[in-house]
Amino acid sequence: AQTVTQSQPEMSVQEAETVTLSCTYDTSESDYYLFWYKQPPSRQMILVIRQEAYKQQNATENRFSVNFQKAAKSFSLKISDSQLGDAAMYFCASRGGSNYKLTFGKGTLLTVNP
Amino acid sequence: KAGVTQTPRYLIKTRGQQVTLSCSPISGHRSVSWYQQTPGQGLQFLFEYFSETQRNKGNFPGRFSGRQFSNSRSEMNVSTLELGDSALYLCASSVAGTEETQYFGPGTRLLVL
Repeated sequence: AQTVTQSQPEMSVQEAETVTLSCTYDTSESDYYLFWYKQPPSRQMILVIRQEAYKQQNATENRFSVNFQKAAKSFSLKISDSQLGDAAMYFCASRGGSNYKLTFGKGTLLTVNP
Repeated sequence: KAGVTQTPRYLIKTRGQQVTLSCSPISGHRSVSWYQQTPGQGLQFLFEYFSETQRNKGNFPGRFSGRQFSNSRSEMNVSTLELGDSALYLCASSVAGTEETQYFGPGTRLLVL
């Protein structure tokens, strides 16, 4: 079984500053994948970034990067140069190598202040 | 490529009725998954289909069922609706394998009165 925990229900950041969202997970699988999804008020779930567990290098997508600590089972998301459009609910999710389903955390609501 | 589409976008039903939701995956994607999102339970996995076969099923009662057609389009059905079935139902598609990223549709908002 997999579990994903997001300990920060809400976070806020000033426009142009940096914010880090936390996520921890637990899995019995040796092969797995981790994701951050963003859900704005439109409720459309949008992929932000993806990390393969077998890769040691942290994934990066423009202003978004992750800090993947495999031993600690930690997968945090860093958003640099925050923009108003980044305001959304952010979900951390995991998927085991032998499982087709995504397991989601409860989400972190990010507010970006102008 | 067009994204995942879901119809209808909004639906209002009464208790005891049944409902069918539809999902068309991204072209070339053969795996379709369904999730239920509620404020209380968050995002929960319903089931996953690949090549018209259910490969994975979440912990939901038998009132929730689904199917997939040969063109990869999928439908989910909820019979004997209960108030607690009010939720956002999200469909996601991926190419096929477990290593693939799932891409989500805009969801169907179901309200049961």
